[in-house]
Amino acid sequence: EPEVTQTPSHQVTQMGQEVILRCVPISNHLYFYWYRQILGQKVEFLVSFYNNEISEKSEIFDDQFSVERPDGSNFTLKIRSTKLEDSAMYFCASSTGTGMAGYTFGSGTRLTVV
Amino acid sequence: AQRVTQPEKLLSVFKGAPVELKCNYSYSGSPELFWYVQYSRQRLQLLLRHISRESIKGFTADLNKGETSFHLKKPFAQEEDSAMYYCALRVNAGNMLTFGGGTRLMVKP
Repeated sequence: EPEVTQTPSHQVTQMGQEVILRCVPISNHLYFYWYRQILGQKVEFLVSFYNNEISEKSEIFDDQFSVERPDGSNFTLKIRSTKLEDSAMYFCASSTGTGMAGYTFGSGTRLTVV
Repeated sequence: AQRVTQPEKLLSVFKGAPVELKCNYSYSGSPELFWYVQYSRQRLQLLLRHISRESIKGFTADLNKGETSFHLKKPFAQEEDSAMYYCALRVNAGNMLTFGGGTRLMVKP
């Protein structure tokens, strides 16, 4: 069964550093998403991406965040200058379209900002 | 704005007992409701969606628009059902999912 792959599984970074989280969505999927889950809290939507542009974003997704699809396979989330409160589990997901068909999550990257 | 509430953070039952994981939502339109499961250290997996009205691993969930609820039920819990369960809502426009806070189900032998 196809999977959404995220790397690394765990990233530790110093406060103020830039970090890039990587995701490889399922190959025939067209919509890509990032969610995050701060420890002990709910899973929160960050951003969705379609046709090489952001289609929706939440208020969490401020100017410190950016997303990119640099080539035909990767989908990245960049945090420009990390803060302690950015420590969370970050989940990538992809889907085939506006329906829920194949809406698949990756196993997540645990980001720890120290 | 839409919201999903799962009132129980932890639900502990014995093997073979019935299980009901509660989910309530607030949204003025007609949302799609889902249940996701996350086994220890694994990814979020879709368990159920209300539009398909199917039963997966013995779990069922019925959308009650009057009570704005989408409770997850299983008549006889198994130890392998122990996991985190998240209720999620998707509004008609757009693809974002709004999640509840999750309920940890522990099934004791």
